[in-house]
Amino acid sequence: SQQGEEDPQALSIQEGENATMNCSYKTSINNLQWYRQNSGRGLVHLILIRSNEREKHSGRLRVTLDTSKKSSSLLITASRAADTASYFCVIANAGGTSYGKLTFGQGTILTVHP
Amino acid sequence: DVKVTQSSRYLVKRTGEKVFLECVQDMDHENMFWYRQDPGLGLRLIYFSYDVKMKEKGDIPEGYSVSREKKERFSLILESASTNQTSMYLCASSLSRTAKYSNQPQHFGDGTRLSIL
Repeated sequence: SQQGEEDPQALSIQEGENATMNCSYKTSINNLQWYRQNSGRGLVHLILIRSNEREKHSGRLRVTLDTSKKSSSLLITASRAADTASYFCVIANAGGTSYGKLTFGQGTILTVHP
Repeated sequence: DVKVTQSSRYLVKRTGEKVFLECVQDMDHENMFWYRQDPGLGLRLIYFSYDVKMKEKGDIPEGYSVSREKKERFSLILESASTNQTSMYLCASSLSRTAKYSNQPQHFGDGTRLSIL
């Protein structure tokens, strides 16, 4: 599977501000997934957006997908200190047999200051 | 909610020991995965399994083996632990390898931070 590339590598904001993280990829996708990892813990799945969807919401999270630009963004609105974590975008490739394997990139480290 | 449980959060072992890391999931998932996570290297897949007694090598299988005797349990074995295997180990599961479900999200345990002295 291909790996999504997150940008920026690190983001530091104040509580209440919005945080935007971007992800780019290279080939056709089946879906794109965003995960969060708090320090020292496992990853938590946040949102899955399919290739035929353009936008998806979950609480304070908004994910967009532009397949023509091969990019996605994750927006966290009204951020809280508890949102401090690493965020990963994961590409699920179109076609082939992946056996459920996913490839994780390096992630974006988000720090939200109280 | 899916629960993936790793047997230990922290583990300290000595060089040369045989180390077992256990992972159990409670949602009847077919796929299970073992990753290690190191600073600057991200998550790397060690082994995965899509059925009982089935196993497939991931990207970095050297020095590791796995066992899946029951559907809910996936064990990672360090045959002879070495200091370069000090890492955070993460177990995950997902629904199925069939084409319809193979791109479903993975559910992770809390990780085992393993130190080899």
